[in-house]
Amino acid sequence: QLQLQESGPGLVKPSETLSLTCTVSGGSIGSSTYNWGWIRQAPGKGLEWIGSISYSGSTSYNPSLKSRLTISVDTSKNQFSLKLSSVTAADTAVYYCARRSTWSTANFDYWGQGTLVTVSS
Amino acid sequence: EVVLTQSPEFQSVTPKEKVTITCRASQSIGNSLHWYQLKPDQSPKLLMKYASQSISGVPSRFSGSGSGTDFTLTINGLEAEDAATYYCHQTSSFPQTFGGGTKVEIK
Repeated sequence: QLQLQESGPGLVKPSETLSLTCTVSGGSIGSSTYNWGWIRQAPGKGLEWIGSISYSGSTSYNPSLKSRLTISVDTSKNQFSLKLSSVTAADTAVYYCARRSTWSTANFDYWGQGTLVTVSS
Repeated sequence: EVVLTQSPEFQSVTPKEKVTITCRASQSIGNSLHWYQLKPDQSPKLLMKYASQSISGVPSRFSGSGSGTDFTLTINGLEAEDAATYYCHQTSSFPQTFGGGTKVEIK
């Protein structure tokens, strides 16, 4: 059974960089069949797609976050990571990692449990 | 970007009742519309893909319909374990977007 687990600091100061890692178990992140994504949910808000990455490192970012966002993959560790710079309180959210097939219209089929990141001084 | 508008935002329902959640897209998205169930402290769960395609392991009381701009998720015979927030998700147009969610409460 595929499992995804987010990890990283739960508290980040304003203007600093938010860094999270998603560790995949029960399957290989190096499969060409799947892409790996980040989604977040701010308190009281809906879900927002952040961005995705393929096993080869090809990325796709939400235009609203693109200027501050870097997503990377480490196939040797079966992990992919998110870095969001210059954070503000608006970046406070539960961050999820998830898997979807490489088909352009594919849904997310496996998700992590999510991790709450609070931006506060 | 495509805006997905879900209704209602909140629904309080008696067990065994039928629940209907709608998701309206701001432009046509074909059938590239998926549904998820979110519960606190759990991984989001895929309920339905491509508007009406069922997912292995998801109870048969969940069904989906629609195409173009109007979509529906139906729960036939609500059970206590269905208390959750439900989200629609479109992957037809970049960037992919989600609806605002519908919270279903058990009376």
